[in-house]
Amino acid sequence: EPEVTQTPSHQVTQMGQEVILRCVPISNHLYFYWYRQILGQKVEFLVSFYNNEISEKSEIFDDQFSVERPDGSNFTLKIRSTKLEDSAMYFCASSRDGAGNSPLHFGNGTRLTVT
Amino acid sequence: DQQVKQNSPSLSVQEGRISILNCDYTNSMFDYFLWYKKYPAEGPTFLISISSIKDKNEDGRFTVFLNKSAKHLSLHIVPSQPGDSAVYFCAAGTSGTYKYIFGTGTRLKVLA
Repeated sequence: EPEVTQTPSHQVTQMGQEVILRCVPISNHLYFYWYRQILGQKVEFLVSFYNNEISEKSEIFDDQFSVERPDGSNFTLKIRSTKLEDSAMYFCASSRDGAGNSPLHFGNGTRLTVT
Repeated sequence: DQQVKQNSPSLSVQEGRISILNCDYTNSMFDYFLWYKKYPAEGPTFLISISSIKDKNEDGRFTVFLNKSAKHLSLHIVPSQPGDSAVYFCAAGTSGTYKYIFGTGTRLKVLA
């Protein structure tokens, strides 16, 4: 069964450094998402992406965050200058159709630790 | 602003019995609902969904019920198995939008 893959599985970085989290969505999916989960808390929506542009973003997704689909297969999340509170599990997801029509399929996440 | 709530943080059930996980929502624009199961160190795994035009959807041991007037949905697992022990999240979305809102999760423990 096709799956969403994320790399790396764990990333440790120092505060103020830039990080790029990578994802390969399911190949015939058209909608792409990033969510995050701070330890023990809810799964929070960050951003959705369709047709090479951001469709929707949350208030968490400020100017320090950006997303890109550079080559038609990868989908990346960049955090420009990491803060301690960015430490979380970051999940990439993809879906065939938009919300309200098809489920999200998630990768296994990248654990980001900011020291 | 918690639009999707799971008021029970944990639930323990004996193997073979029914597990009932509950979820409430406040936004009447939601018209598509999903349940996910999550094991530690893994991403959420899709289990079952329901559209607001239905009040029940069944897939094997999993059944989701939707009560639109009460803005409530539930997931029934029958019979429960030890491998069902995980955190369960409900999520809600609106057609034509581009996000799902997740609840806070319920940790299910199925006792052998």
